[in-house]
Amino acid sequence: AQSVTQPDIHITVSEGASLELRCNYSYGATPYLFWYVQSPGQGLQLLLKYFSGDTLVQGIKGFEAEFKRSQSSFNLRKPSVHWSDAAEYFCAVHGNKLVFGAGTILRVKS
Amino acid sequence: SQTIHQWPATLVQPVGSPLSLECTVEGTSNPNLYWYRQAAGRGLQLLFYSVGIGQISSEVPQNLSASRPQDRQFILSSKKLLLSDSGFYLCAWDTGLAEAFFGQGTRLTVV
Repeated sequence: AQSVTQPDIHITVSEGASLELRCNYSYGATPYLFWYVQSPGQGLQLLLKYFSGDTLVQGIKGFEAEFKRSQSSFNLRKPSVHWSDAAEYFCAVHGNKLVFGAGTILRVKS
Repeated sequence: SQTIHQWPATLVQPVGSPLSLECTVEGTSNPNLYWYRQAAGRGLQLLFYSVGIGQISSEVPQNLSASRPQDRQFILSSKKLLLSDSGFYLCAWDTGLAEAFFGQGTRLTVV
C-alpha cells in the first residue's frame, strides 16, 4: 500500500533558526516525491519535487529536500526561517496515485 | 494553458439530500483525476482517483461516489448526505510526471 507519514503535527521555530520537516513514505518502488505549502485561506503551492537523479533538490523560497532511499524519507529543510514561512506543509507521494501526508503546521516566533 | 474548474465554491445542503460536485479540466488529455477532502489535522484525504474514463478507484468506503463520464470531467456524488459529509472538497489533476493542479475547492456544509 502507498502511504505518507508526517510525524510532526506542529512545529515551532524561532525566526532565523533552521528548519527540518520530516516525511516518510511507503511504496514498493521509488515514487515521485513532492512538498507543497498552504498558507491560511490559500491554495496549495508546490515547493519542490523529486523524480530522479540528484537526491538533494532545491525548491522555491530557499527550501530544499533530500531523498534517502534507505530510510524511505524525503525531509524538507531550510537554513533560516522567515516569519512568512508560517504555513502548513504537506509531503506527497506519487506511486500509482497521488497521496498526501497529514501535514505539519509551522509556527514561527519572533 | 491548463486550467481546472470546480464548482460550486460553497454549498449548504440538508441531511438526506443528494450531492453533485463537478470538476472539469482544460488544456490536457487523459489526466489522472482526484477527489480529496481536506480536514484540519488530516491533510488531504484521497477519496477517489481515476486514470481514465469510467475507471474509478475508491480509497475510503463512505457515503460518496465518483464518476468520470468524459475524459476531463470528474463528478463527486452522494444519494443522501450525512452530517459527517461536511467538509472541504478539492478536485485535482496530474499526469503522474509533474506536479498536481488543484481546483479552488468546495466548502460543503450539511445541516
